[in-house]
Amino acid sequence: GAVVSQHPSRVICKSGTSVKIECRSLDFQATTMFWYRQFPKKSLMLMATSNEGSKATYEQGVEKDKFLINHASLTLSTLTVTSAHPEDSSFYICSANTINRVQGLYNEQFFGPGTRLTVL
Amino acid sequence: GNSVTQMEGPVTLSEEAFLTINCTYTATGYPSLFWYVQYPGEGLQLLLKATKADDKGSNKGFEATYRKETTSFHLEKGSVQVSDSAVYFCALGWRFGAGTRLTVKP
Repeated sequence: GAVVSQHPSRVICKSGTSVKIECRSLDFQATTMFWYRQFPKKSLMLMATSNEGSKATYEQGVEKDKFLINHASLTLSTLTVTSAHPEDSSFYICSANTINRVQGLYNEQFFGPGTRLTVL
Repeated sequence: GNSVTQMEGPVTLSEEAFLTINCTYTATGYPSLFWYVQYPGEGLQLLLKATKADDKGSNKGFEATYRKETTSFHLEKGSVQVSDSAVYFCALGWRFGAGTRLTVKP
């Protein structure tokens, strides 16, 4: 199956700093990548959808100025948590597929292993 | 809008017991439905899927049937194993259910 990697797998930072998380599709071209946040013992909350070469589409309630998403190439999307605070501590997961947001209803997603962010 | 409602659990079963995890959905049109599994310490992976009404997805002994009349996609397995212990997520596109933690005891 398609492989998606995330880096770093774990990061600890001080409050007020910014953290960048990378999501890469290793063996396929991902026109669409999804970013999720998973709270302990909770489900995945979709944060945003990014399509290669265009602006990300954020879900209601997600601050786009705080969670910057860039999808500059067909194999890489980045999520930058700006001015991180302890409440941003969470498990961030990306997924990817080769089709657009609408068609995504019909196709499986390939998930990265996740990034554990801890903000002190 | 599209959404899924999933039985939250946690669910604890003895080995060889029968498993059902309920999932119902609300959708416009007829999107595909998915069950994903997250084993301890691993990323999410697709367990099975169904692309249209009355389709049955199956994998590793798990089954789920896309039922339009009851808007359901319940996950079942006739005889669970300790190795099935994981968190199971029902999904409609990128919309996920709450996840159900399954623990199977020997």
